[in-house]
Amino acid sequence: AQSVTQPDIHITVSEGASLELRCNYSYGATPYLFWYVQSPGQGLQLLLKYFSGDTLVQGIKGFEAEFKRSQSSFNLRKPSVHWSDAAEYFCAVARPGTASKLTFGTGTRLQVTL
Amino acid sequence: DSGVTQTPKHLITATGQRVTLRCSPRSGDLSVYWYQQSLDQGLQFLIQYYNGEERAKGNILERFSAQQFPDLHSELNLSSLELGDSALYFCASTVSEGNTGELFFGEGSRLTVL
Repeated sequence: AQSVTQPDIHITVSEGASLELRCNYSYGATPYLFWYVQSPGQGLQLLLKYFSGDTLVQGIKGFEAEFKRSQSSFNLRKPSVHWSDAAEYFCAVARPGTASKLTFGTGTRLQVTL
Repeated sequence: DSGVTQTPKHLITATGQRVTLRCSPRSGDLSVYWYQQSLDQGLQFLIQYYNGEERAKGNILERFSAQQFPDLHSELNLSSLELGDSALYFCASTVSEGNTGELFFGEGSRLTVL
């Protein structure tokens, strides 16, 4: 079965600083990979996804993620964080062909200081 | 606004009781998923329906059941409630059974069992 590890439970960055959220997965082959964001009191919103092809994926809100097969990682990055990016971020995986049956990581809560 | 509507937003009940959570998917979406989000378990997939039929089961307890009606709305029934059932229950929808890669989440129903 696939699994996802987000090693950082809580991260604090200053507004304008760069951000990298870590995600490692365990799966026999290359899974489908996703990043979702959950703002307070809201449901989850898809930031970006990787199925195949170019390993650098661009998403909404200025986020990007890079798939690294050798490291089984799919880290999320943003060059300059805005205060409105404060939220909880979830990495998720799915078996290829079953993109909607997601296995989520435990999430990383991002705090942005002004 | 994802287009997925969940009611009620908040629900407080006592142990041993039964509750029903309702979900209206996005217009045109045939597939509905239920997820449970709790502090200790994180986001857990419960069950999926597609066009009225059960398609996949995750970590759903026998005390829980769900169905999808001809108008495509779905209900999650939770019975013999226990303190540990307190959680945020999300519904998500997507147009197909699983290959589009994006789930649209509602804002959740927060259940508190006292």
